[in-house]
Amino acid sequence: DTGVSQDPRHKITKRGQNVTFRCDPISEHNRLYWYRQTLGQGPEFLTYFQNEAQLEKSRLLSDRFSAERPKGSFSTLEIQRTEQGDSAMYLCASSPGQDTDTQYFGPGTRLTVL
Amino acid sequence: QKEVEQDPGPLSVPEGAIVSLNCTYSNSAFQYFMWYRQYSRKGPELLMYTYSSGNKEDGRFTAQVDKSSKYISLFIRDSQPSDSATYLCAMKAAGNKLTFGGGTRVLVKP
Repeated sequence: DTGVSQDPRHKITKRGQNVTFRCDPISEHNRLYWYRQTLGQGPEFLTYFQNEAQLEKSRLLSDRFSAERPKGSFSTLEIQRTEQGDSAMYLCASSPGQDTDTQYFGPGTRLTVL
Repeated sequence: QKEVEQDPGPLSVPEGAIVSLNCTYSNSAFQYFMWYRQYSRKGPELLMYTYSSGNKEDGRFTAQVDKSSKYISLFIRDSQPSDSATYLCAMKAAGNKLTFGGGTRVLVKP
């Protein structure tokens, strides 16, 4: 069990560019979550996968955001036409999908949009 | 009004003191309650997980849940400088998404 990993850890981009983040969950965890955290706030839910199926999306996930988990293992989160308001920490979590559904978080990807 | 309210702090205590943290919530559907610790520029780390009202103890940490008052607490005994971090409460209903408080920043002074 190596924990949830995320790549890159930090991304700086210019407004209008597209960015993609990757999350590798704990092996055998079939649920994967994306959250966004801005400075001084708690994480906010974005979306959730059960295996490869995206089962829930927050209204925070605008049309510029898309997430995939094509083989039910790693996931990607893409932001198109980035805006300065997208600057935040993007956190990934995974859970085993059992009754307790404890979510374990990765280190996050910090996005800075200039 | 946010579903989960948490005092942002900072809460400053001397080493060895008891740290007392709490959250209030408005959604009576919340059934599962968690406390996470987050160091600066790191991901949240799960500390405690509780399901029902009552107390749960794990080492220096005690979590309390009072569903009737919609109030949860975390106590840290014999606090250490390494406990200096932001503490996030989180909760969920029958679904899967977590709803977090804003976090309380704690500083334990040597």
